[in-house]
Amino acid sequence: QKEVEQNSGPLSVPEGAIASLNCTYSDRGSQSFFWYRQYSGKSPELIMFIYSNGDKEDGRFTAQLNKASQYVSLLIRDSQPSDSATYLCAVSLSNFGNEKLTFGTGTRLTIIP
Amino acid sequence: DVKVTQSSRYLVKRTGEKVFLECVQDMDHENMFWYRQDPGLGLRLIYFSYDVKMKEKGDIPEGYSVSREKKERFSLILESASTNQTSMYLCASRPGQTMQGRDTEAFFGQGTRLTVV
Repeated sequence: QKEVEQNSGPLSVPEGAIASLNCTYSDRGSQSFFWYRQYSGKSPELIMFIYSNGDKEDGRFTAQLNKASQYVSLLIRDSQPSDSATYLCAVSLSNFGNEKLTFGTGTRLTIIP
Repeated sequence: DVKVTQSSRYLVKRTGEKVFLECVQDMDHENMFWYRQDPGLGLRLIYFSYDVKMKEKGDIPEGYSVSREKKERFSLILESASTNQTSMYLCASRPGQTMQGRDTEAFFGQGTRLTVV
């Protein structure tokens, strides 16, 4: 079983709709969860971070964490064509910086104008 | 702004060559990482380092070695390049254990696309 699993997509969403991206992880000891966005040919960049159960909102983005179900998701409201990218879920065993990040394979999101 | 710089954007090497990929960060981060990214496989950790001269194997260390002689620089070495090491290589840095939460964000370099022929 992969440590971090994501649906590879592609996921197509109409402009203005909500895009929902999902991620599951296998290690119950995981503490910190990150969502990175990667445009084609570019490096990943952080868009959201969460470590407590529940929802965390930042502009059009909402991260949701359920540690009991070992599930983290990212919602993008009012999707824009500029949101078309690959979204990577990353998990760390610690809330501190001295731990490796384990990444999922990424979900490719396409926003249809 | 944090800057992570990789020495080459594109590299073409021959099978059997020894290859050096260099990465430098300017934020005094303790932790540095080397990943490779392949279609359908995502980012896979090759090696990481949490301090000068310290290194830890990641998930796919075979065929690679690393060097960290200075805090800001982390080098990935392909001892004898093979065609199955053709990939995108990404270096990242991350603050140390005194930082928590969002401050533990990992910053990535621009990537080196290595082709071994």
